[in-house]
Amino acid sequence: EAQVTQNPRYLITVTGKKLTVTCSQNMNHEYMSWYRQDPGLGLRQIYYSMNVEVTDKGDVPEGYKVSRKEKRNFPLILESPSPNQTSLYFCASSPYLDRGYGYTFGSGTRLTVV
Amino acid sequence: DQQVKQNSPSLSVQEGRISILNCDYTNSMFDYFLWYKKYPAEGPTFLISISSIKDKNEDGRFTVFLNKSAKHLSLHIVPSQPGDSAVYFCAAAAQGGSEKLVFGKGTKLTVNP
Repeated sequence: EAQVTQNPRYLITVTGKKLTVTCSQNMNHEYMSWYRQDPGLGLRQIYYSMNVEVTDKGDVPEGYKVSRKEKRNFPLILESPSPNQTSLYFCASSPYLDRGYGYTFGSGTRLTVV
Repeated sequence: DQQVKQNSPSLSVQEGRISILNCDYTNSMFDYFLWYKKYPAEGPTFLISISSIKDKNEDGRFTVFLNKSAKHLSLHIVPSQPGDSAVYFCAAAAQGGSEKLVFGKGTKLTVNP
């Protein structure tokens, strides 16, 4: 089954404790992206990657890091999480330059930073 | 500055009637528009899209209309069903091939039996 898999689904952590949210896709998509969803703000892009070793900032990159060492994986790293990073996070992937398909999203990771 | 606006946070309709969800955009470089549907505890799923060279695209009960001069698009669901109750996001992409989608804040649709 074609899918984007995020782990974990739920995470509660403390301020300053480094964490990684993993994202993996099995569709051989070139393009991957991370979004966060907050009440009243919709979906905002954090980082995106157009291919292996190619990443760039989205609209709200502060406090996050990403890497794209393999085509299928695009982990989101919070080096020192803060309470304002409490949010619902989605990873997405897409075939490059194929807008007719749009993005495939993962099921989401609900992160709480206390 | 919000480039994609969904001004109605919520919409309630009766089963069998038409649901109309609206979306406005400000960036004239947008040339591709998509609608996503999101159920609680799930990721958004692609619903329907339209290119700026068209003014209408239909897929079963779902039709998207694009009015470029007004920078406005709408999603029509006919007939509405209780299973359509979800949050609907409008998204837009600009020329240049970056594949970046800019999303609106979403409209929560409730279809009452």
